[in-house]
Amino acid sequence: QQQVKQSPQSLIVQKGGIPIINCAYENTAFDYFPWYQQFPGKGPALLIAIRPDVSEKKEGRFTISFNKSAKQFSLHIMDSQPGDSATYFCAAKGGGNQFYFGTGTSLTVIP
Amino acid sequence: EPEVTQTPSHQVTQMGQEVILRCVPISNHLYFYWYRQILGQKVEFLVSFYNNEISEKSEIFDDQFSVERPDGSNFTLKIRSTKLEDSAMYFCASSLDPGRYTDTQYFGPGTRLTVL
Repeated sequence: QQQVKQSPQSLIVQKGGIPIINCAYENTAFDYFPWYQQFPGKGPALLIAIRPDVSEKKEGRFTISFNKSAKQFSLHIMDSQPGDSATYFCAAKGGGNQFYFGTGTSLTVIP
Repeated sequence: EPEVTQTPSHQVTQMGQEVILRCVPISNHLYFYWYRQILGQKVEFLVSFYNNEISEKSEIFDDQFSVERPDGSNFTLKIRSTKLEDSAMYFCASSLDPGRYTDTQYFGPGTRLTVL
């Protein structure tokens, strides 16, 4: 059972473009939604996170949009740079300690 | 900045052998976790540990797996009799208080386990 569904699997954008990665969940007990960034050979690192009581959160060039009624949330990367090339995972947590991760999106930003 | 460390970075073992993966969580954190990531797939939760007890475990975490905090700094994952399908990257993570909304799990760099 896949608790968090993520799309697309891979994404290629030009430098300066705005890649958007989408996630959907079913469990209404989830109450914390982080995004992790992972570079090859490294562990996931927290990028930005949101709670369901807000619809948008922005940190630097990264923005999460959250739609509670649709049970969807997305990551937008403004003015994307080649250094943003990584795998991005959405996750969700609620009612327990474990995070449920999405399947990941491999982002490539072309110079 | 404090970080989670893991050793070894790469472990190669024969099928049926026991392996122990080691982690040093962030020093003031109280909750510890193991995750695994099979190559090219998503990160999967294995187990969480608090106050010297397992607090949650997934169906992946069967009797072949065990965790231990042998001293005040280390947190270990033992696989008793490794199988080919145990080949994966294993991540340790730690957090301060998962009861808080904004609790963050900090991940280590991982141990790549290869079972031959």
